[in-house]
Amino acid sequence: SQQGEEDPQALSIQEGENATMNCSYKTSINNLQWYRQNSGRGLVHLILIRSNEREKHSGRLRVTLDTSKKSSSLLITASRAADTASYFCATDVRGQGGSEKLVFGKGTKLTVNP
Amino acid sequence: EAGVTQFPSHSVIEKGQTVTLRCDPISGHDNLYWYRRVMGKEIKFLLHFVKESKQDESGMPNNRFLAERTGGTYSTLKVQPAELEDSGVYFCASSRRSGRGSYNEQFFGPGTRLTVL
Repeated sequence: SQQGEEDPQALSIQEGENATMNCSYKTSINNLQWYRQNSGRGLVHLILIRSNEREKHSGRLRVTLDTSKKSSSLLITASRAADTASYFCATDVRGQGGSEKLVFGKGTKLTVNP
Repeated sequence: EAGVTQFPSHSVIEKGQTVTLRCDPISGHDNLYWYRRVMGKEIKFLLHFVKESKQDESGMPNNRFLAERTGGTYSTLKVQPAELEDSGVYFCASSRRSGRGSYNEQFFGPGTRLTVL
């Protein structure tokens, strides 16, 4: 089953505005993470929130987790043009042999206009 | 500390040809993962190595894909023969060996964009 469905799929805002992206997942989790991918670049790890945490901050990023609703949100405050990228949530799942693999959603493409 | 590197950054091949992608993990990372993102879809897990052993290859789409990690260092992912639907971005990630009950961040490479014509 697909985990980590983000919405919206695309978001366009003006510099200085806040951007909120949401993610829903289907099964129980240990952790939920958010990644960013700039065009042509690799995935950059932004923040990890554990299943027993409800909110976490890192600089201009704020992540919330609601395990009862199986959802998470990523808020970027005071956005900058450099924040333009695709954002993915991912949950870690135990695979075969105890393997820890990440299950990603389709991502939200954020465009911050200068 | 050097990050995860992947080669090539972009490969364009014709249907039926063979392509080999390479990933060099961060030195000392026992775990190596391959993921791919097909156009417009989510990033999907392909397989996981612990050193040279395949721990989980449940995400490999079919037997046209062969991954190896000789000596537990770099890894290669070969697609033979390539099909149109193989086009996408192939990511490699590595992490330290996980302790019991702990989670180690996966560090991703820049990806290889594969285009099959």
